Amino acid sequence: EIVLTQSPGTLSLSPGERATLSCRASQSVSFYLGWYQQKPGQAPRLLIYGAFSRATGIPDRFSGRGSGTDFTLTISRLEPEDFAVYYCQQYGSSPYTFGQGTKLEIK
Amino acid sequence: QVQLQESGPGLVKPSETLSLTCTVSGDSISYYYWSWIRQPPGKGLEWIGYIYYNWSTNYNPSLKSRLTLSVDKSKNQFSLKLSSVTTADTAMYYCAISRSSGVFFDSWGQGTLATVSS
Repeated sequence: EIVLTQSPGTLSLSPGERATLSCRASQSVSFYLGWYQQKPGQAPRLLIYGAFSRATGIPDRFSGRGSGTDFTLTISRLEPEDFAVYYCQQYGSSPYTFGQGTKLEIK
Repeated sequence: QVQLQESGPGLVKPSETLSLTCTVSGDSISYYYWSWIRQPPGKGLEWIGYIYYNWSTNYNPSLKSRLTLSVDKSKNQFSLKLSSVTTADTAMYYCAISRSSGVFFDSWGQGTLATVSS
């Protein structure tokens, strides 16, 4: 099973700042990585798939990069609605696994 | 716009079987991967398994011995049965679909909380 490790566990930033979230895989997943946003009481929402492709309706302030074992989600300028928990997920190898999450909180 | 809605009993006794159904509207159930994902309270996400439109399945090995996924195309529904539940199975259960060749989840249900307790 591929283990995904996200860092940091919590990120405290202010609206307008840039956020960089990291996801590292225990073995290569090629480009088969997605990112999700989850707000309290809601289901996760797909942001990025294929490491860098934005899902339908996702603003262009969200961008993904990386391949193999190291991936990054960047939010260029934080909006108030961006404060949430973010998960990465690999689908390169079954069982498909998620990282433990990064909580993005308002500083 | 596809919509997914989970349903099932909120409370299950230990050692019994948890049964959940996901009803799909706005699109056909064909051609996609149909997955279940769960999230224990305050914790992260765990992929449970998927059933494909041709009835093939792929289960998480951690649950495989207790898990059965099925699909009813006539009702546009797919279902989960998890046997011999324990308190460790208490979680929010989500159904989700993957509308591409990769198993990432582009649409989700709102989730249903299943609590295992006597």
